[in-house]
Amino acid sequence: NAGVMQNPRHLVRRRGQEARLRCSPMKGHSHVYWYRQLPEEGLKFMVYLQKENIIDESGMPKERFSAEFPKEGPSILRIQQVVRGDSAAYFCASSPLISNTEAFFGQGTRLTVV
Amino acid sequence: ELKVEQNPLFLSMQEGKNYTIYCNYSTTSDRLYWYRQDPGKSLESLFVLLSNGAVKQEGRLMASLDTKARLSTLHITAAVHDLSATYFCAVVVSGGSNYKLTFGKGTLLTVNP
Repeated sequence: NAGVMQNPRHLVRRRGQEARLRCSPMKGHSHVYWYRQLPEEGLKFMVYLQKENIIDESGMPKERFSAEFPKEGPSILRIQQVVRGDSAAYFCASSPLISNTEAFFGQGTRLTVV
Repeated sequence: ELKVEQNPLFLSMQEGKNYTIYCNYSTTSDRLYWYRQDPGKSLESLFVLLSNGAVKQEGRLMASLDTKARLSTLHITAAVHDLSATYFCAVVVSGGSNYKLTFGKGTLLTVNP
């Protein structure tokens, strides 16, 4: 049973480009969460999605960031017109049920904006 | 706003020694997690603590929770090199959404031979 798969593992973008980060949840999981880890910081919640629905995006920056979890395919976190401050590790987690005590994390995508 | 503070942030210790990592949080909580992260790797769940006085042990690691003091500890007994990693505590606010974890900054543990 594969775990939560994120790709790419490392992504380098120039300022102003778009970054697309992908997350495939564990088999049977229909809830996806994105977290961001800035250098020397803890992870911070960004957004919670179910299939075709954004449930809670209270942690998402108001501009340039968007997320989706389509009926088919992985969840996508999109960052438009990236800036240096977007450089961070982005982690995705998934769980089968909201009441489950544990979400499983992927290995993260390390985004570097140059 | 919930704040979670870990200390120390950096810990260098010798093999065979004991030490404790502390996690304080600012509001009442329904549950507290401890995670381990190796460089470039995912977060591995170590413990989930759900009630006051909860104590869980796995190998050389033992976690406890005091909800009245809003404090959790992760105690390391007779450290070995394989325990070198970053350890995070993460808290869910009482009555809050189970999915919204608030993390501490992490404790980078280095165990020297």
